[in-house]
Amino acid sequence: QVQLQQRGAGLLKPSETLSLTCGVFGGSFSAYYWSWVRQPPGKGLEWIGEINHIGGANYNPSLESRVTISVDTSMNQFSLRLTSVTAADTAVYYCASSYEAEFFDAFDLWGQGTVVTVS
Amino acid sequence: QSALIQPPSASGTPGQRVTVSCSANSSNVEPNSVHWYQHLPGTAPKLLIYGNGNRPSGVPERFSGSKSGTSASLAISGLRSEDEADYYCAAWDNGLRVFGGGTKLTVL
Repeated sequence: QVQLQQRGAGLLKPSETLSLTCGVFGGSFSAYYWSWVRQPPGKGLEWIGEINHIGGANYNPSLESRVTISVDTSMNQFSLRLTSVTAADTAVYYCASSYEAEFFDAFDLWGQGTVVTVS
Repeated sequence: QSALIQPPSASGTPGQRVTVSCSANSSNVEPNSVHWYQHLPGTAPKLLIYGNGNRPSGVPERFSGSKSGTSASLAISGLRSEDEADYYCAAWDNGLRVFGGGTKLTVL
């Protein structure tokens, strides 16, 4: 069964750069979209951005100036980089994927989530 | 404000049928692309409904989705205590993904 496994630092200071990686295990590294989603404390889900299967990236306009999502096919992983973090970036961060074509562009795979605190 | 508007809360008693609405505040929400996710505290969100009304294998038939115009709905029949969770609709808006604000479902 295909799984997404996240890793990365969970405690940052203001102005530092958040870096998270999501590895694909148990299946091929092929999907339509590789995405990142976050949930600030007490709030709903927020889409951060994604990179598609042909390398095109789209980002949430509210974060676009600070976000980079990239793919490393040799390592079967994709990454999130968010610069100049502030307390407002404190959230649980999830990687997600539109992995199986039958689900259209829905996120059928999710990582376990990483709690990121900026303090 | 999100492009997708959901009621912040909903509730029902075991066995009841509950619906959660999701309304687009613009005409840019694309048809045939509304998905629903169930999110339990401390876990990753789970795909519940895709493409407006399709259920992934393993999702009980009690869950159903529909869409009409720029509004979508999630219906849960035969409500059970384990259905208590947050529910999010999601779609595309002008080529970017958006989530609704989420609806917290309480089973009384």
